[in-house]
Amino acid sequence: QVQLVESGGGVVQPGRSLRLSCAASGFTFRSYGMHWVRQAPGKGLDWVAAIWHDGGKTYYADSVKGRFLITRDNSKNTLYLQMNSLRADDTAVYHCARDFHQSWFESWGQGSLVTVSS
Amino acid sequence: IVMTQSPATLSVSPGERATLSCRASQSISSNLAWYQQKPGQAPRLLIYGASTRATGIPARFSGSGSETEFTLTISSLESEDFAVYYCQQYKNWPPWTFGQGTKVEIK
Repeated sequence: QVQLVESGGGVVQPGRSLRLSCAASGFTFRSYGMHWVRQAPGKGLDWVAAIWHDGGKTYYADSVKGRFLITRDNSKNTLYLQMNSLRADDTAVYHCARDFHQSWFESWGQGSLVTVSS
Repeated sequence: IVMTQSPATLSVSPGERATLSCRASQSISSNLAWYQQKPGQAPRLLIYGASTRATGIPARFSGSGSETEFTLTISSLESEDFAVYYCQQYKNWPPWTFGQGTKVEIK
């Protein structure tokens, strides 16, 4: 079955960087677009970034544009989110999610907690 | 597109019907999905295309609506249905946008 497992979260100071990973299994990773969606503590879901199946197109929320970079390595079945210039309001659980034809999010990982604090 | 859900919290007894609303700030046709999220868990896709149940979703969950007004109905609440529910539009992207969620709690 589809499995998405995030890693790389932790506590980081404002202005520093962090890279999240999402290991995918149970499906043909290279055939699917992928997303990152975050959830601040006690808050709702907030889409962050998307990448098409071949990495040819990427999209970002305005709040992270220019600071975050979404990439993928189809040979390793892994999705990444490079987060730079982190701010306190980036504190959240970051979920990776599998895309269905640029529409809904079919499958989700449990998430990785990122805390930005001095 | 801004998605607005109501109510923020819905108190329902087991076995009763729950009706959750989602409104889009502009027409999204039927490009709407619903998700369920339990504490500490990942969201789970329930409904797409406004009314099509995802694989494995029980028939007590139903979705309706189009354009700007949508409803998720749980016909007879079971204990495992108490959770937070989110709607999400995919008509115009980026960004893909979610409602703020409705918490269904035990009355």
